[in-house]
Amino acid sequence: DTGVSQDPRHKITKRGQNVTFRCDPISEHNRLYWYRQTLGQGPEFLTYFQNEAQLEKSRLLSDRFSAERPKGSFSTLEIQRTEQGDSAMYLCASSLDSWDGNTGELFFGEGSRLTVL
Amino acid sequence: GQNIDQPTEMTATEGAIVQINCTYQTSGFNGLFWYQQHAGEAPTFLSYNVLDGLEEKGRFSSFLSRSKGYSYLLLKELQMKDSASYLCAVDNTDKLIFGTGTRLQVFP
Repeated sequence: DTGVSQDPRHKITKRGQNVTFRCDPISEHNRLYWYRQTLGQGPEFLTYFQNEAQLEKSRLLSDRFSAERPKGSFSTLEIQRTEQGDSAMYLCASSLDSWDGNTGELFFGEGSRLTVL
Repeated sequence: GQNIDQPTEMTATEGAIVQINCTYQTSGFNGLFWYQQHAGEAPTFLSYNVLDGLEEKGRFSSFLSRSKGYSYLLLKELQMKDSASYLCAVDNTDKLIFGTGTRLQVFP
């Protein structure tokens, strides 16, 4: 399978615990995005990388959230001291660089569903 | 600010035509995407408009008016499998900003 893969698909944790999600993008894609989606809402932008550089982080993102893409391939999203409000689907997407500066089509993974008890 | 509006829910009958509207006010605009998302699944690409006008792709068409900040997705010959959420997303130069999505229910 050459699509975007995410792991784990489901995570249940207790409030206050740390969790980490991993995303493996499509191999030739150098842009990688993290979005969060709650029930009945559209995906909400969290952050994105161009290769290993994190170019933008949403102002809505708490400092408990951190993302890395150390070698410009896979990425991790860590949430520290989880809260019940963090319960959501965390979606990863990747895309090719666009020569004209546009974003281009995003290819999404199946998501990692987080439940904080 | 960024504002993308879509109806929350729509219903239609199998074989019918449905139009899902999207209005936007964003600080940047490089184009508009429509994605389909079945319950519990990842969003998948449907269409992209960068110029004004209609783009047709089989049973699905998408229209854009940049001056009016308006787009619609037209679904023809509806099938039961078209029951899903439809997400309007603005290309904000380096990322997509999504609307809340329109949940479409198709009835036999």
